[in-house]
Amino acid sequence: QQQVKQSPQSLIVQKGGIPIINCAYENTAFDYFPWYQQFPGKGPALLIAIRPDVSEKKEGRFTISFNKSAKQFSLHIMDSQPGDSATYFCAAQAGNFNKFYFGSGTKLNVKP
Amino acid sequence: DAGVTQSPTHLIKTRGQHVTLRCSPISGHKSVSWYQQVLGQGPQFIFQYYEKEERGRGNFPDRFSARQFPNYSSELNVNALLLGDSALYLCASSPAGDYGYTFGSGTRLTVV
Repeated sequence: QQQVKQSPQSLIVQKGGIPIINCAYENTAFDYFPWYQQFPGKGPALLIAIRPDVSEKKEGRFTISFNKSAKQFSLHIMDSQPGDSATYFCAAQAGNFNKFYFGSGTKLNVKP
Repeated sequence: DAGVTQSPTHLIKTRGQHVTLRCSPISGHKSVSWYQQVLGQGPQFIFQYYEKEERGRGNFPDRFSARQFPNYSSELNVNALLLGDSALYLCASSPAGDYGYTFGSGTRLTVV
């Protein structure tokens, strides 16, 4: 059973658009929700993360929206650029020394 | 500062062989985790080590083993390689097994 469900699988937007990637979870013990960006041939790089006591967090052009009651969280990329074209993974963790559960990934293509 | 370094970057092995992958964490980081990423999927947790002790193990067969050395570097060993072991193997380090994990670029293992 997949602990974190991510959608869509792929996304195409025009430059300047606002792609939105969604994730849902069931385990209420999760207390840390990071988003990772991965370029081909590279490891995942942490973009932004949120804890469940916060409903929204912004860092630059990246925003996480968190809905604790619905057990859903999403990534918004403002003013998207072709350089943002990558695969994005959501993840969840329950406390220290616990593994990350990753979503299945969303391949984003930002067209010039 | 150097990030998480992994070696080798690419590796081709034959079915039934053994492989050792190596990881050097960021200086000062005492926790190392290993993940397997099959093409087109999110990373799957294999092991976590902190202060040379195993703190977590994912759902992988006993053919997979790991250890952490006094300098906090780590090795992942896989015996009796199968075609299905072909994947990108990622190492991640954090200061104390908490939430701030940084991933390396991975070792691409191909089993033929």
